[in-house]
Amino acid sequence: GIQVEQSPPDLILQEGANSTLRCNFSDSVNNLQWFHQNPWGQLINLFYIPSGTKQNGRLSATTVATERYSLLYISSSQTTDSGVYFCAIRTNFGNEKLTFGTGTRLTIIP
Amino acid sequence: GAVVSQHPSRVICKSGTSVKIECRSLDFQATTMFWYRQFPKKSLMLMATSNEGSKATYEQGVEKDKFLINHASLTLSTLTVTSAHPEDSSFYICSARMYGNTEAFFGQGTRLTVV
Repeated sequence: GIQVEQSPPDLILQEGANSTLRCNFSDSVNNLQWFHQNPWGQLINLFYIPSGTKQNGRLSATTVATERYSLLYISSSQTTDSGVYFCAIRTNFGNEKLTFGTGTRLTIIP
Repeated sequence: GAVVSQHPSRVICKSGTSVKIECRSLDFQATTMFWYRQFPKKSLMLMATSNEGSKATYEQGVEKDKFLINHASLTLSTLTVTSAHPEDSSFYICSARMYGNTEAFFGQGTRLTVV
């Protein structure tokens, strides 16, 4: 089946720092989403980005579908950015399900 | 944006009893809903996919007689954990997708503890 790997698995940064999170996937996709899971478990949609680049405030994301990876950039980190970041993909092969990556646990220290 | 509401957010039940979790799409019609399970410090694992008016499709290894899924309307899907045991304790999250749209939206999740 499809493989979705995220790196790094854990990241600890000082407040104000910038970070880049990576998502590698093994098949062609027609949907790629980035989520932030907060400490209460809620999954917050960050980006719907099967290809191209998007920006939303301090966050931006780029997906290079032909090379099968996506990047999430967080600039000027704040403590509220802490949590787990997941990418999730849906393949082109008629299967409806969203497969989640392994996740990156981000901790921002004041 | 699309809103998905899941209820309850937290439930504690006794071993052997059944628990029902509801997932509602509040401002759109969800032709497809998904149920996920998440163990501590792990990723989300898909349990089943449900389409309105038809039987759910379960992932390999998921017991369909233990995890009953009903998608009776375009805005409501339910997951019933039957004869719950402590090993069923977990975080369960639903997701909904509207027809013609590949983006998925998630509920708040339900933390189930079986004692």
